[in-house]
Amino acid sequence: GQQLNQSPQSMFIQEGEDVSMNCTSSSIFNTWLWYKQEPGEGPVLLIALYKAGELTSNGRLTAQFGITRKDSFLNISASIPSDVGIYFCAGQGYSGAGSYQLTFGKGTKLSVIP
Amino acid sequence: NAGVTQTPKFRILKIGQSMTLQCTQDMNHNYMYWYRQDPGMGLKLIYYSVGAGITDKGEVPNGYNVSRSTTEDFPLRLELAAPSQTSVYFCASRYRGLNEKLFFGSGTQLSVL
Repeated sequence: GQQLNQSPQSMFIQEGEDVSMNCTSSSIFNTWLWYKQEPGEGPVLLIALYKAGELTSNGRLTAQFGITRKDSFLNISASIPSDVGIYFCAGQGYSGAGSYQLTFGKGTKLSVIP
Repeated sequence: NAGVTQTPKFRILKIGQSMTLQCTQDMNHNYMYWYRQDPGMGLKLIYYSVGAGITDKGEVPNGYNVSRSTTEDFPLRLELAAPSQTSVYFCASRYRGLNEKLFFGSGTQLSVL
C-alpha cells in the first residue's frame, strides 16, 4: 500500500521561530492535504493542494505540492504558542472502483516555548 | 453547523464486551470513514462507505463492523472488545469527487481493560 514518511516526528521551537515539516511518498498523489490536531479534538484541515508545484498560503502557513507529486512541505512563520499541536500530512490517490482514499503521515508534534 | 458528530466522547470497556460508536453528519456527504489513531502512528482506515447501503474494508477492519442505512449515519460496531482496540476513533466525511476535503469529528477515546 501507499506509505507516507513525515518528518520531523517532533519539534521544540522558540516562539517567533519559523517551522518547516515535510512528507514524502513512494507513490504519486493527486491531492495533498495538511491537517492540525489539538488535544482532544479531531484533525482540522489547514491547507489543500491540488496541482504539482502549487504553493498555497493560509495566514502564517505556507504549503507546497512537490513537482514530482511525491512530496509536500508545510512552513509556519513566526510561530506562536497556539501553533502547538500535531500536524498531519495526507495524500489522496485513486484506490480503484471510483474511490479516492487518503493516506496519512504519522504526524509532527510541535511544541512552542514562549 | 454541527458537521460530523461522534458519541460517546470517552468509553471504558471490559474485554469481550460490545459497543457501537455513533457517527452522524449533517453536510449531506456521500463518503464516510472510520479511522483509528494510536500514539505516534497516524490515522489508520478501518472502514469506509461511499453511500447509503455501501461499505468497504479499509486497512485495519478486523474486529469491527459497520453499516450505512442512511446518508447521515455511519455507526462502528465492536463485537468482542480486545485490549488491542484501545485507541482514539475518528469518523470523517466528504463529498464524492476528486478534490473534496475530508472533515473529522472530535473523536471517541476507547479503553479496553
